[in-house]
Amino acid sequence: AQSVTQLGSHVSVSEGALVLLRCNYSSSVPPYLFWYVQYPNQGLQLLLKYTTGATLVKGINGFEAEFKKSETSFHLTKPSAHMSDAAEYFCAVSYNNNDMRFGAGTRLTVKP
Amino acid sequence: KAGVTQTPRYLIKTRGQQVTLSCSPISGHRSVSWYQQTPGQGLQFLFEYFSETQRNKGNFPGRFSGRQFSNSRSEMNVSTLELGDSALYLCASSLALQDYEQYFGPGTRLTVT
Repeated sequence: AQSVTQLGSHVSVSEGALVLLRCNYSSSVPPYLFWYVQYPNQGLQLLLKYTTGATLVKGINGFEAEFKKSETSFHLTKPSAHMSDAAEYFCAVSYNNNDMRFGAGTRLTVKP
Repeated sequence: KAGVTQTPRYLIKTRGQQVTLSCSPISGHRSVSWYQQTPGQGLQFLFEYFSETQRNKGNFPGRFSGRQFSNSRSEMNVSTLELGDSALYLCASSLALQDYEQYFGPGTRLTVT
C-alpha cells in the first residue's frame, strides 16, 4: 500500500534561513506527489504538485520541491523563511484517482 | 471565483446522534472528496463523489455516508456518533475525476460529547 513519511513532526528555523521539509513515499511506481499547507483553523492549500515532466517543481510563496525517484523522495524547500511561512505542511501521494494519502504533517515554526 | 464552502463551520453533538455536513464545491467542479482530520490519525480519506455517484471509498465504517446532488453540492452524514468521531471534516473539490488538483474548504469542526 502506498504510504508517505514526513521526517520530523516539528521543524524550527530562523527567519531568513533555509526551509527543508522532508517527504518520502513507499512505492515502486512513481506516484503523483503534492505538498499542502494548512494555517490554523483553515483548510489545506495546494503549494505545488508533481505529476509528470520536470522533476523540479516550483510552487507558490517561493516554495519548490524536487522529485527524486532513486531516493523515493519529494522534499520541500524554500531558500529564505518568512514569519508568514509558519504553518503545518503535508506531503501527499496519489496514483490514479483522487484518493490522496497524506503524511502526518510537519509543523514549521519560524523564529524572528 | 468563490472557493469551497462548508457548513456549518462548528458543530457540537451528543454521542448517539447523527449529523449532516454540507459542502459546496467551486463553480464548475464536479468531483467532491471528503477527509477526516484528527490529531491521532491525521488526514484520512473518506470518500469521493463524481456525477452523483460514489467513485471511491476509504476505510471507514458504514456509519459514514455521503451523497452528491446534481449541482455537485455534497453532503456527508454520520449516524450514531461516537466520541472518536470528533474531528475536522474537510471537503475538497476538483474539476473531474483523476484531476489531482484539489481545492479544500475550511472544514467543519465536529465535537461529540
